Amino acid sequence: KAGVTQTPRYLIKTRGQQVTLSCSPISGHRSVSWYQQTPGQGLQFLFEYFSETQRNKGNFPGRFSGRQFSNSRSEMNVSTLELGDSALYLCASSPGQPSGTQYFGPGTRLTVL
Amino acid sequence: QQPVQSPQAVILREGEDAVINCSSSKALYSVHWYRQKHGEAPVFLMILLKGGEQKGHDKISASFNEKKQQSSLYLTASQLSYSGTYFCGTEGGSEKLVFGKGTKLTVNP
Repeated sequence: KAGVTQTPRYLIKTRGQQVTLSCSPISGHRSVSWYQQTPGQGLQFLFEYFSETQRNKGNFPGRFSGRQFSNSRSEMNVSTLELGDSALYLCASSPGQPSGTQYFGPGTRLTVL
Repeated sequence: QQPVQSPQAVILREGEDAVINCSSSKALYSVHWYRQKHGEAPVFLMILLKGGEQKGHDKISASFNEKKQQSSLYLTASQLSYSGTYFCGTEGGSEKLVFGKGTKLTVNP
């Protein structure tokens, strides 16, 4: 099976702009989770989508949003970018059952100037 | 609530052993362990479930003390390939998987 794919891999934006990141999960996986990784904070959970519904949400401002499509592909959107949003954004998919293994994609490296 | 990992970093020589600890202030029903090499995505190592047995994979094993809300990852006879950052992720109550800040392990020849 193909792994989790994320596009784009690298992105440079300026403050105030918005950005959309895309994630394609492993075939058959219905759960997609998003994480923000920074050197100081480690892996921070953003949100999880399951069957097109947001199932869990982390402690991030409303500028961070996401959605999931019927084919389980997911997008994450960040509006009004701030310098502190510079990070590696990781997407992980799992079949969806509780305590399921998370399979991570390679991530999108976002730099905000 | 984010679990606390210790130590933050450890340097070993090949063949030495290491223990990485993960503790939470909340009651847990599962602990996940992942390893991330520089520039790569985190890779799943193992899950420990409440009431489950100690897990092991090759020379890497882990335990889960439910009463203390603690888990430990044991790396025996470390190899160069073990180098990376190890993350524990915990689940408890309605909280989705929350990761610690990671432990950077360096194995030198």
